[in-house]
Amino acid sequence: NAGVTQTPKFQVLKTGQSMTLQCAQDMNHEYMSWYRQDPGMGLRLIHYSVGAGITDQGEVPNGYNVSRSTTEDFPLRLLSAAPSQTSVYFCASSYGGRTDNGQFFGPGTRLTVL
Amino acid sequence: SQQGEEDPQALSIQEGENATMNCSYKTSINNLQWYRQNSGRGLVHLILIRSNEREKHSGRLRVTLDTSKKSSSLLITASRAADTASYFCAVSSGAGSYQLTFGKGTKLSVIP
Repeated sequence: NAGVTQTPKFQVLKTGQSMTLQCAQDMNHEYMSWYRQDPGMGLRLIHYSVGAGITDQGEVPNGYNVSRSTTEDFPLRLLSAAPSQTSVYFCASSYGGRTDNGQFFGPGTRLTVL
Repeated sequence: SQQGEEDPQALSIQEGENATMNCSYKTSINNLQWYRQNSGRGLVHLILIRSNEREKHSGRLRVTLDTSKKSSSLLITASRAADTASYFCAVSSGAGSYQLTFGKGTKLSVIP
């Protein structure tokens, strides 16, 4: 199993540009989530999904969109990038449709917005 | 808002010593989880303790939970240089356990 994969590893955007961060898992996990990690802030939940077709907002959803058309994929879209979105983004998944079983994390995408 | 808060922020010990990290939280929880993050990498799940449990072991890890004090501790015994990493607690609360709230982490350095 590849586990949770994320692409790209690094990305530089200009303010106002849009892009999609890709996340995929091959463990048939129902639950998937996106976090951002900023220095000194820990991880903050952006959006999550408990199954295909179902998404919900986390703590910091503004400026981000998600969709879940398949169990495997959970892309995160930045609509109009802002410097405040400079961060490291992590995708995670877990089985059982919830977080009670611990989460598997991807390696992260380091995003810089100029 | 950050629900889990780790203490200390940084900890430096000699190889072979024990390392203890603490986590405090604010509201009632379903469970509390500990994760490790090596520099530049994703997080790795270490151990989960449910709200009705008081202590749990996994290898060299021992986790305790005191719901009356809203706190948890992670003990790593006989530390190794490879244990050098940041450690985060995360609390699951609310109906459905759909969201984890992470603390800011404890940075552990184990000196060979």
